[in-house]
Amino acid sequence: EAQVTQNPRYLITVTGKKLTVTCSQNMNHEYMSWYRQDPGLGLRQIYYSMNVEVTDKGDVPEGYKVSRKEKRNFPLILESPSPNQTSLYFCASSPRSRGNTGELFFGEGSRLTVL
Amino acid sequence: GQQVMQIPQYQHVQEGEDFTTYCNSSTTLSNIQWYKQRPGGHPVFLIQLVKSGEVKKQKRLTFQFGEAKKNSSLHITATQTTDVGTYFCADNTGGFKTIFGAGTRLFVKA
Repeated sequence: EAQVTQNPRYLITVTGKKLTVTCSQNMNHEYMSWYRQDPGLGLRQIYYSMNVEVTDKGDVPEGYKVSRKEKRNFPLILESPSPNQTSLYFCASSPRSRGNTGELFFGEGSRLTVL
Repeated sequence: GQQVMQIPQYQHVQEGEDFTTYCNSSTTLSNIQWYKQRPGGHPVFLIQLVKSGEVKKQKRLTFQFGEAKKNSSLHITATQTTDVGTYFCADNTGGFKTIFGAGTRLFVKA
């Protein structure tokens, strides 16, 4: 089954404790992206990756890091989480490439609470 | 920066009534996508519009792209309880960046 898998689905942590949210897709997509969803603000793009070892900032990259060492995986790293990073996070992948805007396939979401 | 304004933020309807959500941009869009997110779920792609004045239909859903490619709408005819959720438009004009509207949350009363 084609899917995007995120882990953990739920996490409560404390300020400053580094954490990683994993994301994996089995559709051989080159494009992957992270979003955060907050009430009234919709989905805001954090980082995206066009291919292995190619990443770029979205609209709200501060406080986050990403890496793309393999095509299927795109982890989101919070080096020193703060309460304003409490949010619902979605990973997505897409068959899009330069000149072709493909649809986004989203994971189930990861709800993060930073105390 | 680039923004996509989506209205209304919320809409309550009686089952069987129609529903419309609108997206507007101050800049010309190369294309626009629409997604639906059920309560507690993740966004799911509905459709993509590319051409000026384009109209596409999916059963009771009608999607339009404005002539100037600065606005788009999603209209649902005769809503059903299965239509509940949040509808988002998304602008991909920036290439690999995607800008989502804030979404319209639809409540349907049976």
